[in-house]
Amino acid sequence: DTAVSQTPKYLVTQMGNDKSIKCEQNLGHDTMYWYKQDSKKFLKIMFSYNNKELIINETVPNRFSPKSPDKAHLNLHINSLELGDSAVYFCASSQEAGSNTEAFFGQGTRLTVV
Amino acid sequence: QKEVEQNSGPLSVPEGAIASLNCTYSDRGSQSFFWYRQYSGKSPELIMSIYSNGDKEDGRFTAQLNKASQYVSLLIRDSQPSDSATYLCAVGGGGFKTIFGAGTRLFVKA
Repeated sequence: DTAVSQTPKYLVTQMGNDKSIKCEQNLGHDTMYWYKQDSKKFLKIMFSYNNKELIINETVPNRFSPKSPDKAHLNLHINSLELGDSAVYFCASSQEAGSNTEAFFGQGTRLTVV
Repeated sequence: QKEVEQNSGPLSVPEGAIASLNCTYSDRGSQSFFWYRQYSGKSPELIMSIYSNGDKEDGRFTAQLNKASQYVSLLIRDSQPSDSATYLCAVGGGGFKTIFGAGTRLFVKA
C-alpha cells in the first residue's frame, strides 16, 4: 500500500486554468505538507496542516489554496495558473506537528503550464 | 532568512570509495537534522536523522553533527553505483518548519 499518494502524477495545462492536486496518506499521521521543488531542485515548504488546521502558510500567491477535509487528506487547488507555477509539487506527512520528525513524501506531481 | 547550504556538485567518486557530503546551516537554534536521498524523477526518502553532536552510524551511512560549527555531514562508505542520487540536507528549528538545502548530486562511477 502506498503511504502517501498524490494524483495526478503529471499535469499539463494552459495558462489561466484552475487545477487541483489531491493527496492522501494512510500512515495515521497528524501533519501534512505541500512542498514545491523548482527546476533548481530547491524543495520549499508551501503549507502545513495539523489535524486539519493550517499551521504553516509560506509566502505563496493566494492563487494557491490548500484544503484539508480530514487529517488524511490535503488537496492543493491552484487558480489562474501561470508559467512560473511549473514545478514538481510534493505532498508529505509526518507523525507530529514539528520540525523534529521525518517527513514521508508522495511521488510528486509534475505540473507544466504552457 | 534561515538557510541551509550544500555544494550542488556533482560529486563524483569511484565505486568502493567514501563519499563525503557536507551541509552548513545558519540557525543556531536548529535541533534536528536529516539527510534525504532523491533519485532522479522520484520523491525524497529519509536515510538518516541526527539530533545531538557526534556521529551516528547506520550501515554504510554515517551522519556527523557539529552544532558549534553549524555543520552536518553524511559519509557513505563503500559507495555503490546505486548510491548515485541527489542528497538533500534538511534542518529543523524546533518549530513547525524544516528547511531543505538544494541538494548535492552524487555520482558513483562503476
